[in-house]
Amino acid sequence: GQQLNQSPQSMFIQEGEDVSMNCTSSSIFNTWLWYKQDPGEGPVLLIALYKAGELTSNGRLTAQFGITRKDSFLNISASIPSDVGIYFCAGGNSGGGADGLTFGKGTHLIIQP
Amino acid sequence: DGGITQSPKYLFRKEGQNVTLSCEQNLNHDAMYWYRQDPGQGLRLIYYSQIVNDFQKGDIAEGYSVSREKKESFPLTVTSAQKNPTAFYLCASTQTGESYEQYFGPGTRLTVT
Repeated sequence: GQQLNQSPQSMFIQEGEDVSMNCTSSSIFNTWLWYKQDPGEGPVLLIALYKAGELTSNGRLTAQFGITRKDSFLNISASIPSDVGIYFCAGGNSGGGADGLTFGKGTHLIIQP
Repeated sequence: DGGITQSPKYLFRKEGQNVTLSCEQNLNHDAMYWYRQDPGQGLRLIYYSQIVNDFQKGDIAEGYSVSREKKESFPLTVTSAQKNPTAFYLCASTQTGESYEQYFGPGTRLTVT
């Protein structure tokens, strides 16, 4: 099946720093989604991108859909302790998402006080 | 409140026993999904269903079975044929034909000894 390469695998940062992570694929996707998962919980949708080149913000989060449709990045500005968790990218390329999403392996964000 | 519920949160079984995980949604979504998550891994698709009384295998369906007798319910049975059943199981749903945005339940952690 399709695979997404998500990097970095983990990040150790100081509170207040900006964060950047990305996903790349050898296949084209029609949509990119970014989720955050807290320990022992289900992923929560942060941002959805549907158009190549699209740049979307949600508070301190900004995500972009790459022009080639094979990549996406997520930035978090001025990190705070509650940003800790695992961030997943997901790509979809079937009509209406009926066939499910392909997920990256996640970026584990750890914030040092 | 609209959402997806999974029960129980933690489940323990002896090897060789079948076990059924519950997933219910009141979002009126057409499509429902089951994913498996292992430590350090992304989400892998087990089964999905786009409509009542119909479902398709995902990437790792062996050793699992599902049913979709009602729109709001999509139970997953982990059979004794599944060689490594211990994992975190996530159920999700989406409105087909409108978006790829899947919404997740809180998950069930299954431990088989």
